[in-house]
Amino acid sequence: EDKVVQSPLSLVVHEGDTVTLNCSYEVTNFRSLLWYKQEKKAPTFLFMLTSSGIEKKSGRLSSILDKKELFSILNITATQTGDSAIYLCAVAYSGAGSYQLTFGKGTKLSVIP
Amino acid sequence: EAQVTQNPRYLITVTGKKLTVTCSQNMNHEYMSWYRQDPGLGLRQIYYSMNVEVTDKGDVPEGYKVSRKEKRNFPLILESPSPNQTSLYFCASSTSPSHLSYEQYFGPGTRLTVT
Repeated sequence: EDKVVQSPLSLVVHEGDTVTLNCSYEVTNFRSLLWYKQEKKAPTFLFMLTSSGIEKKSGRLSSILDKKELFSILNITATQTGDSAIYLCAVAYSGAGSYQLTFGKGTKLSVIP
Repeated sequence: EAQVTQNPRYLITVTGKKLTVTCSQNMNHEYMSWYRQDPGLGLRQIYYSMNVEVTDKGDVPEGYKVSRKEKRNFPLILESPSPNQTSLYFCASSTSPSHLSYEQYFGPGTRLTVT
């Protein structure tokens, strides 16, 4: 059973559109939720969220976490072709002295001119 | 420059021929892990290590071994590779997760093909 579920799995938008990517999770001993962007190489870090309701923002990207409803969203405003990538959500959780990180399957975003 | 390096970057091998993919980080990170990435399946954790001589299984450990003899190195060993281990592999490191800092620094990836 998937612990981290992202939706949609793929999305095609036009430049200038605003998109919302979703990530829901179900783990015990939640520690943090992270968003990554992956182009044709290794994932690069975007945000780490640990507290509910506090928006993290970087330029046109923003993200928020709801620990009660167990989900997070990643918003991208005024999309550009350079935003085309796979966006990965990951959840860190702990248990019995171990710490694991589980990724969702990702959302493939394609921005067309 | 802070980085995670992996070698080799590309490897084509045959079934059953033992191989090792090396991973090294220069950030003095305690936590290191290996992932494989397959189309439609996302990134899946193979093994991770909390510190030297401490390793644990991730979600898909079958067919893999790891060791952590030094803090900077975390090699991935495939004793008898099979075609279903054809994948893109990433090594990653981060500071101690108990400090609530899970930002993982990823290596450039190793594309492995097993025929």
